[in-house]
Amino acid sequence: DSGVTQTPKHLITATGQRVTLRCSPRSGDLSVYWYQQSLDQGLQFLIHYYNGEERAKGNILERFSAQQFPDLHSELNLSSLELGDSALYFCASSVGSYSGNTIYFGEGSWLTVV
Amino acid sequence: AQSVTQLGSHVSVSEGALVLLRCNYSSSVPPYLFWYVQYPNQGLQLLLKYTTGATLVKGINGFEAEFKKSETSFHLTKPSAHMSDAAEYFCAVAFSGAGSYQLTFGKGTKLSVIP
Repeated sequence: DSGVTQTPKHLITATGQRVTLRCSPRSGDLSVYWYQQSLDQGLQFLIHYYNGEERAKGNILERFSAQQFPDLHSELNLSSLELGDSALYFCASSVGSYSGNTIYFGEGSWLTVV
Repeated sequence: AQSVTQLGSHVSVSEGALVLLRCNYSSSVPPYLFWYVQYPNQGLQLLLKYTTGATLVKGINGFEAEFKKSETSFHLTKPSAHMSDAAEYFCAVAFSGAGSYQLTFGKGTKLSVIP
């Protein structure tokens, strides 16, 4: 158990809908990351927050957004969903935001868009 | 820009045989390197990491990796494979800049262990 908690574990929704994925980082970790894992793209970095502040964006679509709240939990919002958005979405956390920090991953949220 | 290449999307070994999973990286700065393992229907678990210092890094479950700067490699090895090692393994390089820090992953190598 990494200490990173993600909900829901599985989600099935229809095209055009909107979903919210939730993440609680490890106790004491200030950084939260979101990654997408799909068969064709592999593991892709989406976005990084540190103590409530957005620090970097990766391959995140404009239909997707995220935020980190004062209690440090984070949410990833996916809207106008398409079939291609079906993937495993990982949240991860680390204590800081510099190289060498270990990034701990949650078990992921499986999203299926039908 | 950082990148990672894992040679072989699928590797099969016999139980008790040597496990060798290959990873080559590209980085414009001294790299921080990681190996993660993903068991079926689970998240990513850190096996080991190289930051600075000793180039031979020991991790969990008997795995180790050696950082070779001249070869830009960070191959993962285990002397004797167990059935429980069957999983997908990901090599990653850390990238930091402008107050952020992220991992760039290779495409993964699925390890099968044959009884």
